[in-house]
Amino acid sequence: DAKTTQPPSMDCAEGRAANLPCNHSTISGNEYVYWYRQIHSQGPQYIIHGLKNNETNEMASLIITEDRKSSTLILPHATLRDTAVYYCIAVNFGNEKLTFGTGTRLTIIP
Amino acid sequence: DAGVTQSPTHLIKTRGQQVTLRCSPKSGHDTVSWYQQALGQGPQFIFQYYEEEERQRGNFPDRFSGHQFPNYSSELNVNALLLGDSALYLCASSSDRGLTTEAFFGQGTRLTVV
Repeated sequence: DAKTTQPPSMDCAEGRAANLPCNHSTISGNEYVYWYRQIHSQGPQYIIHGLKNNETNEMASLIITEDRKSSTLILPHATLRDTAVYYCIAVNFGNEKLTFGTGTRLTIIP
Repeated sequence: DAGVTQSPTHLIKTRGQQVTLRCSPKSGHDTVSWYQQALGQGPQFIFQYYEEEERQRGNFPDRFSGHQFPNYSSELNVNALLLGDSALYLCASSSDRGLTTEAFFGQGTRLTVV
């Protein structure tokens, strides 16, 4: 699985868009980009995933660059409940093993 | 739907003892994976079970073993506990019927080895 690189921490004002970057420069053609988050003392929660097209669901949007070497998770209107550690993971096609890094600790500031 | 349930929620064991953790997957899911999360670290993949067989394994010693039952529930066993085994143990379930799929995690079992 490709290695991903994320900033260790970020702050965002409540109500603003939170943009979380992820670098995955060695990603292969059959690896998807998955995002999970982990709120304190809970299990990780799936957010969104994509292969090469931008994706949007009720939680977030995922923007993947054309060369697929990086992506950005966007939480459009951050709330205090979005404070969590966010993990960007490259997942091999058909292989459900998740290789977590240390993620980005996002703090939403009132 | 109760989602993924794990038991117990907390456990304290002594070095050298053995422990069994349990997981019931989300309804409709047939694949169970186990992860170990040390304090301040991301979860680390232990192994994955599908059709009652271990399908993949991470870099964990043989002291870590598992089982999946016909109803898809699963157990994680750890023998000869070490202090370093203290961690949050997470179970995740998913469906093998899709090409790629999201994993649903339980709340975890907090194991403390003293």
